[in-house]
Amino acid sequence: NAGVTQTPKFQVLKTGQSMTLQCAQDMNHNSMYWYRQDPGMGLRLIYYSASEGTTDKGEVPNGYNVSRLNKREFSLRLESAAPSQTSVYFCASSEAWTGGGGYTFGSGTRLTVV
Amino acid sequence: AQSVTQPDIHITVSEGASLELRCNYSYGATPYLFWYVQSPGQGLQLLLKYFSGDTLVQGIKGFEAEFKRSQSSFNLRKPSVHWSDAAEYFCAVGEGTGFQKLVFGTGTRLLVSP
Repeated sequence: NAGVTQTPKFQVLKTGQSMTLQCAQDMNHNSMYWYRQDPGMGLRLIYYSASEGTTDKGEVPNGYNVSRLNKREFSLRLESAAPSQTSVYFCASSEAWTGGGGYTFGSGTRLTVV
Repeated sequence: AQSVTQPDIHITVSEGASLELRCNYSYGATPYLFWYVQSPGQGLQLLLKYFSGDTLVQGIKGFEAEFKRSQSSFNLRKPSVHWSDAAEYFCAVGEGTGFQKLVFGTGTRLLVSP
């Protein structure tokens, strides 16, 4: 019962480097999300995918891109990392229907950009 | 657009005492409301949810929450707090019918004193 798996768990990047955060879910959920968590700001939505084949911007999409590779996998890419992207990143998944059971979260990726 | 306010950034409660964490939301229609808990270094775990029906909902770990439409509130309660309840708690509101995108509050950190 893996749920939502994120890799890597920790990463240090230099300014300007690129990287991809991986996320996979095994619950056959339709929708997937990427959030960032910063102290005092709660969780802010970066991008989401309501269903396979679709992606949309959330509240804070600048500097990020996403790919919904298939129903299971949703990756987040930082093309040119900046110190402002230092954060904890969470992937989540859910059913996409009224009355859905809320989100299932991964354990997060702690990213530091120096 | 809907929003969620958690007015208390930190709360300290003695072990064995009762707990109430406040959550106020802004949403025009009947909201879908959630409480999540995050232990240090972990992802978010769903505690309970409200969609419709009985306004008092029971969750895991002995938590309950009451939906009060007149006050636009969904406060989380526990009759007797345990040291293991120390964590950060997030309230969230579901946006729209069908596909569901959650908006999170900024969180309340619970400290439990001996």
